[in-house]
Amino acid sequence: GAVVSQHPSWVICKSGTSVKIECRSLDFQATTMFWYRQFPKQSLMLMATSNEGSKATYEQGVEKDKFLINHASLTLSTLTVTSAHPEDSSFYICSATGARLDEAFFGQGTRLTVV
Amino acid sequence: KQEVTQIPAALSVPEGENLVLNCSFTDSAIYNLQWFRQDPGKGLTSLLLIQSSQREQTSGRLNASLDKSSGRSTLYIAASQPGDSATYLCAVRQDKLSFGAGTTVTVRA
Repeated sequence: GAVVSQHPSWVICKSGTSVKIECRSLDFQATTMFWYRQFPKQSLMLMATSNEGSKATYEQGVEKDKFLINHASLTLSTLTVTSAHPEDSSFYICSATGARLDEAFFGQGTRLTVV
Repeated sequence: KQEVTQIPAALSVPEGENLVLNCSFTDSAIYNLQWFRQDPGKGLTSLLLIQSSQREQTSGRLNASLDKSSGRSTLYIAASQPGDSATYLCAVRQDKLSFGAGTTVTVRA
C-alpha cells in the first residue's frame, strides 16, 4: 500500500506555545488529507478535511483558529495547534487519499503532550 | 448520521484459534468499507478494502465479507498468532470515513 509519513511521532510542549505536525504522502499524490484526534481507548474523531490548495473544512465543534491546517501541495499537509493547552494533549493522526477517494492510508500518529 | 458498531469490544483467544470480528453500520449507502489494524500508540494499517459492489476480500489469513443491504461486515482471521494482538477498526466511507470503536484482540501464546 501507499506510504504516509507523519512527523514528529511525539512532542512535548509548554502551555501557550504552538506545535506543527507534518503529514506527507511519499509515493502518491494526496488530493485529500484528513486530520483525526484519538482519545485513549476511543476511536478516531475527524477534525477536518483538506484539499490541496483549498481551505480546510472543519467538523462541528473543532476550532479552526486553534487547529490551523495547511495543504499547500499534493504531498504535504500540516496541522498547527496554536496556543496549546493541556486539554489539547492527545494522539493526532493524518490520513490521505488519492483522487478517487478510495483507500485511505494513515500516518503513524503524533502523541502531543502539553505541560 | 452514520453509526458504526463493532462487537465484541474485546476478545482473548488462545493461539491457533480463528477470530471473528463483527462490524455493523446504520446507513447502507456507502462507497466502501475498510478494515484497519492499530497497535498501541501507533497509526492505522490498512488490512482490507471492500468496494460497495463487492461481497468479500481476502489477503493471506484475512478474509472480510460485506453485506451492504443488511449493514454488516465480518473480518475473519484464520489460525491466530500472538502477533495478531492489536485493535481492529472498521470504517465505512460516504463523504468521509466513519469509524467503529474497535475490537481489541489478545492472542495468548
